[in-house]
Amino acid sequence: DTAVSQTPKYLVTQMGNDKSIKCEQNLGHDTMYWYKQDSKKFLKIMFSYNNKELIINETVPNRFSPKSPDKAHLNLHINSLELGDSAVYFCASTFGNSGNTIYFGEGSWLTVV
Amino acid sequence: SQQGEEDPQALSIQEGENATMNCSYKTSINNLQWYRQNSGRGLVHLILIRSNEREKHSGRLRVTLDTSKKSSSLLITASRAADTASYFCATDPTLNQGGKLIFGQGTELSVKP
Repeated sequence: DTAVSQTPKYLVTQMGNDKSIKCEQNLGHDTMYWYKQDSKKFLKIMFSYNNKELIINETVPNRFSPKSPDKAHLNLHINSLELGDSAVYFCASTFGNSGNTIYFGEGSWLTVV
Repeated sequence: SQQGEEDPQALSIQEGENATMNCSYKTSINNLQWYRQNSGRGLVHLILIRSNEREKHSGRLRVTLDTSKKSSSLLITASRAADTASYFCATDPTLNQGGKLIFGQGTELSVKP
């Protein structure tokens, strides 16, 4: 009964490929996020969706495209992968837009070779 | 930058000792939260302290907040080997856009048995 689940957990792929990471939450939350954690453990928000609407879009290359088919799902598609995209990507969710406790998935380890 | 800064970056102690981690931030906040990340896992929420609170306890955790100094500390008493993890502070800025939490770079705590 995982609360925020994301797949795959590990992904190794070649430069130039396109890949997707899927995320689902069963907490009934209305806000979902994608965060990126680099090798120095710095955690930076990429996108935020509230009720399927894009709320936050940080300075992220256009190669990254989130998609929220419903408020329980937020997928991340990455085109033309680059070496610098190697990182851990975390999906997370919460209620509302006002800095409440965030519940994180277990992370997706992306390695671009 | 609105990022929190954590101090120390790494801390190594013996089981049974207390561990203190500090977090400083730059903007006014609604609340400050602490999260733990075990190696290879997602972040787990520990405690939330609101801007009008000065101290909060949860089990062996004690958090303080000094909004005049824009700083917070997390104290773990009687540490255990299982407390070994990275600890992150996250702020909910007053001028928040979309419920975005700003994370610090974390303190790596190692508790030796």
